Amino acid sequence: RKEVEQDPGPFNVPEGATVAFNCTYSNSASQSFFWYRQDCRKEPKLLMSVYSSGNEDGRFTAQLNRASQYISLLIRDSKLSDSATYLCVVNDPLGGNTGKLIFGQGTTLQVKP
Amino acid sequence: EAGVAQSPRYKIIEKRQSVAFWCNPISGHATLYWYQQILGQGPKLLIQFQNNGVVDDSQLPKDRFSAERLKGVDSTLKIQPAKLEDSAVYLCASSLYGSGYTFGSGTRLTVV
Repeated sequence: RKEVEQDPGPFNVPEGATVAFNCTYSNSASQSFFWYRQDCRKEPKLLMSVYSSGNEDGRFTAQLNRASQYISLLIRDSKLSDSATYLCVVNDPLGGNTGKLIFGQGTTLQVKP
Repeated sequence: EAGVAQSPRYKIIEKRQSVAFWCNPISGHATLYWYQQILGQGPKLLIQFQNNGVVDDSQLPKDRFSAERLKGVDSTLKIQPAKLEDSAVYLCASSLYGSGYTFGSGTRLTVV
């Protein structure tokens, strides 16, 4: 079983659509969770951290379900500029506080006009 | 604030040749990471340094890959000899003791 699993997609949606990405992680001891965005041929960049209570940043909402070891990202009112790969990321609990991150393979989103 | 600098941006080599990548982290960041990202996959950690000491190199293929971080600042990652399956983007990242994670723009390696 992969440590972090995502549906690779691609997700092809029209502008204005709402799209949701899901992710599961294998180690229940993980404590930190993130969504990163990676544009084509660019480096990953932090989109948002994910908190147990759920958190929102504009059109983006992230949720965490520790019991199910499940993380989600919801994008409302999709824009063309949202087209990218979205990486689900968790910390490696075996790495202590050293910041070792484990990345999912990414979910590709294509927003069409 | 200057970001994480990496060079070269692109490299094409033949299999069995050697190659080296360079990374200069954000000033003051104690932790430096090298990740390998194969096309269609997420980044995979190769090695992690805390200052100039190795914290984790469990996924580094040590028969052909080596890395060093002299003086706890710049780092180099070397592959010798390269194989076709080493074709990937090599990403360097740095953080301040695990927070403020920032990636460099990466080195795209093609082995032919």
